[in-house]
Amino acid sequence: DAGVTQSPTHLIKTRGQHVTLRCSPISGHKSVSWYQQVLGQGPQFIFQYYEKEERGRGNFPDRFSARQFPNYSSELNVNALLLGDSALYLCASSGELQETQYFGPGTRLLVL
Amino acid sequence: GQNIDQPTEMTATEGAIVQINCTYQTSGFNGLFWYQQHAGEAPTFLSYNVLDGLEEKGRFSSFLSRSKGYSYLLLKELQMKDSASYLCAVNPSNDYKLSFGAGTTVTVRA
Repeated sequence: DAGVTQSPTHLIKTRGQHVTLRCSPISGHKSVSWYQQVLGQGPQFIFQYYEKEERGRGNFPDRFSARQFPNYSSELNVNALLLGDSALYLCASSGELQETQYFGPGTRLLVL
Repeated sequence: GQNIDQPTEMTATEGAIVQINCTYQTSGFNGLFWYQQHAGEAPTFLSYNVLDGLEEKGRFSSFLSRSKGYSYLLLKELQMKDSASYLCAVNPSNDYKLSFGAGTTVTVRA
């Protein structure tokens, strides 16, 4: 079975641009969460979606937005990029019982 | 807010045992995860403790004391491939919006 997939794997943008990151959960998983991991730190929760509804949002500015599609895949959008947005963006999915979250390989974003 | 503390770095010899401690002060508690993360890769699930006590999975064991806000991950018979960052994460409410510690980098030397 395929695990959580994310695209692209790497991305370079300049300040002020916007970016869209994509995530496909494990087949059958309806919950998707997004995390930001800055180098040397643990992941920070950004959003969680379940059945296409936002269930929670972390302490991130409104420049960050997300959505979940009918097939449970998800997009994370970041507008007006700042240098500090450079990080590894992780997507995690979980199933009905939500015993755990399974992480995708991440998208490494570099803002210049 | 959530406060999760773990040591920054630990070094051990191949074949030895290492214990990674994690203390937490969170607004709620529904369980504690341990993840392993190799450099440049995604975190991979190791364990999830909900109740007090020790859970063993092969060379890895995880312990939880909810009254003390304390957990540890025990790595036995260390192998070179165990060199990685180990992340402690708390599930503050029953919705899996995890709060992570900064991670402990374990280096295994020959």
